[in-house]
Amino acid sequence: DVKVTQSSRYLVKRTGEKVFLECVQDMDHENMFWYRQDPGLGLRLIYFSYDVKMKEKGDIPEGYSVSREKKERFSLILESASTNQTSMYLCASTRAGGSTTKNIQYFGAGTRLSVL
Amino acid sequence: AQKITQTQPGMFVQEKEAVTLDCTYDTSDPSYGLFWYKQPSSGEMIFLIYQGSYDQQNATEGRYSLNFQKARKSANLVISASQLGDSAMYFCAMREGNAGGTSYGKLTFGQGTILTVHP
Repeated sequence: DVKVTQSSRYLVKRTGEKVFLECVQDMDHENMFWYRQDPGLGLRLIYFSYDVKMKEKGDIPEGYSVSREKKERFSLILESASTNQTSMYLCASTRAGGSTTKNIQYFGAGTRLSVL
Repeated sequence: AQKITQTQPGMFVQEKEAVTLDCTYDTSDPSYGLFWYKQPSSGEMIFLIYQGSYDQQNATEGRYSLNFQKARKSANLVISASQLGDSAMYFCAMREGNAGGTSYGKLTFGQGTILTVHP
């Protein structure tokens, strides 16, 4: 079974703190993603990575950065946390492939981050 | 413009009845994939069903089927014989391609539909 593991289920941080959210997958997937989920907005893509050290901005990258030093690990960094970054963060991974292949995106359990 | 639209914020269904969750999408890419995920209150995203844009048949996975109407750009999820455990948030998502038919696999999600199954 594919496993995507996020380091924390719940996190409480102070405004201005640097926050690291870690994600590890065990299926040798090339592509990894960070989404945030807010009520009524669905999931929105923050950043993704298609290879080690490669990263691309998603739809809402402002205030975030990412790091992918190893294939299995993808980190999301909030350089200076703000209250509007209070949200559920979901990491996912998938195999590389064509646009119509059935490459399922597998998700971690999510991290619920509160910034006070 | 919204790429994925789920117009039903909430749906109710009686146990053992069938229910249809609506999803419309917008893309000019001829090669795309459509996914449905279930998110129970615990938060994890569970893959349910997939439909490729070139697939001739509607996808089915157990009690889940996808009513794919390409010309209307709709991909509705049908759950047959609803169970109490089906109560959850359901998301429709689309994957488009890069140039050359490859894909980084990123998904665009709809807003979700909360399904409540009544005993």
